[in-house]
Amino acid sequence: QSALTQPASVSGSPGLSITISCTGASSDVGGYNYVSWYQQHPGKVPKLIIYDVNNRPSGVSTRFSGSKSGNTASLTISGLQAEDEADYYCSSFTSSTLYVFGTGTKVTVL
Amino acid sequence: QVQLVQSGAEVESPGASMKVSCKAVGYTITGHYIHWVRQAPGQGLEWMGWINPNSGGTDYAQKFQGRVTMTRDTSISTAYMELSRLRSDDTAVYYCARGRYCSDGVCYHNYFDPWGQGTLVTVSS
Repeated sequence: QSALTQPASVSGSPGLSITISCTGASSDVGGYNYVSWYQQHPGKVPKLIIYDVNNRPSGVSTRFSGSKSGNTASLTISGLQAEDEADYYCSSFTSSTLYVFGTGTKVTVL
Repeated sequence: QVQLVQSGAEVESPGASMKVSCKAVGYTITGHYIHWVRQAPGQGLEWMGWINPNSGGTDYAQKFQGRVTMTRDTSISTAYMELSRLRSDDTAVYYCARGRYCSDGVCYHNYFDPWGQGTLVTVSS
């Protein structure tokens, strides 16, 4: 199972919006609505921020939103803030009851 | 409060085996799958496999098949991940994370939450 493809880095100015893509295949992202996103600050444990494509866990900012079209899922961060600077990973359930992560995206707030 | 508490850092020799534990606190371990994920220094997250603590059933990423064994001891609410024939590129932080639960043939919570605090395993001679 190959890793899902994410851009290595995305940057944006405070207050603006950015979108991170996560491209897979019909056997993972395209085949199931089980895409989740994780935020990881340096030296910290990954934190769930989106599950089942577009659901936010309790306590996660409404500035984070998710979507999916075909084999590509996306994470949008609106009103970018300095605290959003982190690494972001997508993940998907796949056929054969396995899971796969994306390659990871480093978000920089300019 | 639901949390997963992992064992402490380890230093292992090449060719040896490692075993990391993950204790479920605040919920019944048999209710959810437990996943294992690792992260090499400066690298991304890599899914290793899962165990269903209720049945003991497992499924592993192809990369680790033959080298990884996931087990559990429900009497102490603890899951284990053992990796054998260690190499230097197995140096990583190993995480456990709570996963899905299934009821009446339908599975929910198909994501990883919460995560353990991570266990650094260093493979070095």
